[in-house]
Order: sequence, then C-alpha cells, then structure tokens
Amino acid sequence: TQLLEQSPQFLSIQEGENLTVYCNSSSVFSSLQWYRQEPGEGPVLLVTVVTGGEVKKLKRLTFQFGDARKDSSLHITAAQPGDTGLYLCAGGREGNKLVFGAGTILRVKS
Amino acid sequence: NAGVTQTPKFQVLKTGQSMTLQCAQDMNHNSMYWYRQDPGMGLRLIYYSASEGTTDKGEVPNGYNVSRLNKREFSLRLESAAPSQTSVYFCASSEGTGIGAKNIQYFGAGTRLSVL
Repeated sequence: TQLLEQSPQFLSIQEGENLTVYCNSSSVFSSLQWYRQEPGEGPVLLVTVVTGGEVKKLKRLTFQFGDARKDSSLHITAAQPGDTGLYLCAGGREGNKLVFGAGTILRVKS
Repeated sequence: NAGVTQTPKFQVLKTGQSMTLQCAQDMNHNSMYWYRQDPGMGLRLIYYSASEGTTDKGEVPNGYNVSRLNKREFSLRLESAAPSQTSVYFCASSEGTGIGAKNIQYFGAGTRLSVL
C-alpha cells in the first residue's frame, strides 16, 4: 500500500487540454514536492510547498497543498508535448527523507 | 555541471554475485541518499547519509550495505544479488536535511540493474 496515492496512473491528452494530477495521503507531511522525470533520467524538482493551503504557480503549472498538509494537486493549463513525462509527488519527513507516490505518466499528443 | 554522477549506468548480474554502485556529487553537499525505483512503486529510500561519517537505514534496507567514503562519495553494495533487486537505482544529494529550498535533493541519472 502506497503511503502517497497518486491519480490517475496514466493520462493521455491532446495538446491544449487542461489536466489535474492528485496526490493523497492519510498522513501529514512537513512538505510536499513535485518532480518530473523523463526516460533515462533522474527526477527533477518542480516545486516544494510547505504551508497548508499554499498555492504556487510555475508558468502553466499550478501546485496546491491541502489545508491539512495531507494532499496536493498539480494542474497543467494548455498542455504541450514537452510536458510529457512521469510526474511524482513526494512527502517530506524529518531528516529530509522523502516518501514518493507511484507517479502519473502523462502523454501529450500534438 | 556534473552534479550527481552514478556508475555504472547499466549492469547485469547473476543471482549471488556482488557489486557496488558508485555515486559522487560535486556540489559540496552534506547529505546523500540511495533510492530504488520499481514500476508502480515510485522511489523508495534504501539508505541515507545525513553527513559524512553517518549512515542510516531507509524504508527498504534489507540486502544492501552502504559506505560514505568521504563527503563526495556514497556507495551502495549488494553482497549477494537476488532477482528481487532488479530495479533502477538512484543516488541523490542535498545540502542538508532541513526543510527548504537549500535542501532540495538532486538526483543522478540512475543505474539500471538486472539480476538473472
């Protein structure tokens, strides 16, 4: 059983569509991070949210941390083929140890 | 701009063989981590080293040992490889272990290990 549940597992959409990826847990985390990983590469950090209710925007990406610091969402507006990849959420624990979700594979078709 | 370097990139072992995965970082980071990534499981922490001279178990340490050789290098050893250890292994490093932008974890490109 994953401590962090991500949904959906797979998402295939057309260029220009909007999408939301969810990351849910029954545990409270000190921070919530979102990573993007491309084939053959390691994960690369997109954003860290630390305050309950926090919203961060990174160009077309909007990240939200739940009020209770147990869940998060990633919303992409007007998706582009370059957004294709594996999106991972990770909850921060004491000592900077991360607990990862299983990931969402996103494919954006042109 | 090397960042975190892992060697080898690929490895095939037979059951019972041993090997060491190497990791080096050039960012003068204090903390280093080893993860494994399996389909449908995300990344799971095997061992970590908060600072030079210290190592601690993570979520899935069984079958592995680590050595923090110096501040730059953190190696992962499989003493007797098993098929269940077939995975992609990632090393990461961070400046420290607190919360915040300066403690972002930077990942290497991974080692793809198959145990037959």
